[in-house]
Amino acid sequence: SQQGEEDPQALSIQEGENATMNCSYKTSINNLQWYRQNSGRGLVHLILIRSNEREKHSGRLRVTLDTSKKSSSLLITASRAADTASYFCATGLPNKIIFGKGTRLHILP
Amino acid sequence: DGGITQSPKYLFRKEGQNVTLSCEQNLNHDAMYWYRQDPGQGLRLIYYSQIVNDFQKGDIAEGYSVSREKKESFPLTVTSAQKNPTAFYLCASTSQGGGPLNYGYTFGSGTRLTVV
Repeated sequence: SQQGEEDPQALSIQEGENATMNCSYKTSINNLQWYRQNSGRGLVHLILIRSNEREKHSGRLRVTLDTSKKSSSLLITASRAADTASYFCATGLPNKIIFGKGTRLHILP
Repeated sequence: DGGITQSPKYLFRKEGQNVTLSCEQNLNHDAMYWYRQDPGQGLRLIYYSQIVNDFQKGDIAEGYSVSREKKESFPLTVTSAQKNPTAFYLCASTSQGGGPLNYGYTFGSGTRLTVV
């Protein structure tokens, strides 16, 4: 299986703090993606990092990839209430990607 | 605005009934996908189509059927053979070149199906 596994399953932090989520996977990949899902909604593509990249930024998001450890992390800096959502990593075959079970992030006011 | 439209947002199915979930995209994407999401779980692939008039089974295709007669449309039928259909269904699309792993998915807002 090439399923990504997110850690932790749930995370609660104060608004303004940084949130870090991790993803581990089992086999070699070409790319890894992170998605956000607000409650009862579809997923939104956040960022894609290729296997030859170690770090990528997009606004308040920072993604790292360590292919030797088969792991990735997503850092959200200066969290806001609107960041409350579930976050999924996804990886897999070129025409099919496999999602983990997600990390539920709750930003406390 | 370009995007994916799923309808209806909520759907109720009686035992033994077939229901069809609609998915339409105006992104000119070649590939379309159906996923199922159960509470607290990740997404599981039901069917996908990379081109009109062609589709492939995903990991949990039993009890479902699809068609791809138009590039813009990829409806999913949940048949009576699907014994546990209550779930959140998500449709997605992507450009064909390199597939979703290179370009990411665009998702619809989902259909919540409940058996009554």
